[in-house]
Amino acid sequence: EVQLVESGGGLVQPGGSLRLSCAASGFTFSYYSMNWVRQAPGKGLECVSYITSTSSTIYYTDSVKGRFTISRDNAKNSLYLQMNSLRAEDTAVYYCARTYSSSWDYWGQGTLVTVSS
Amino acid sequence: EIVLTQSPGTLSLSPGERASLSCRASQSVGSSYLAWYQQKPGQAPRLLIYGASSRATGIPDRFSGSGSGTDFTLTISRLEPEDFAVYYCQQFGSSVPSTFGQGTKLEIK
Repeated sequence: EVQLVESGGGLVQPGGSLRLSCAASGFTFSYYSMNWVRQAPGKGLECVSYITSTSSTIYYTDSVKGRFTISRDNAKNSLYLQMNSLRAEDTAVYYCARTYSSSWDYWGQGTLVTVSS
Repeated sequence: EIVLTQSPGTLSLSPGERASLSCRASQSVGSSYLAWYQQKPGQAPRLLIYGASSRATGIPDRFSGSGSGTDFTLTISRLEPEDFAVYYCQQFGSSVPSTFGQGTKLEIK
């Protein structure tokens, strides 16, 4: 069974940092591109970052460029998102999702990041 | 960046009725690159349709997708109580990996 489990969310002050993790199981993690997507409270979905299977291509949405870093460890079946210089507008549920055939076929349950003083 | 506009914003229907949800793109999207998701409160989105018209694993056949170019439709042939949720379309391509529509809320009338 494919599973994606996020962790690392929490309450952080503006300007602070958090590292999100996504533990994958039930599939060959190294074969798939992966994504971080967020959803602010009561809002829609936004693709935050994307990484290909070998980390050869990485994408960030403009609002997080220079502040967030996506990475993966295929040996540990894990995806990461290092978030620095956090702002109130980064408050959201963060999901990791697997790319399959131009869709995201499996999603984690999400981890809540709250940026507030 | 391709902008996806979903309509209506809210759709009020009764169980047993047919639902048609629209997703319009600001420029042409390859048919292979349009997906639909369902999201219920407190849950992650679930993939329904990929490639504009292919049902994902385990999705009932009352869900169907159609369209090409800039106009796409998700149809639910006969609404079940569990179908009332928010639906998002998503496109892949252009210079960014993916963008979503703003969502259509399907509510019980």
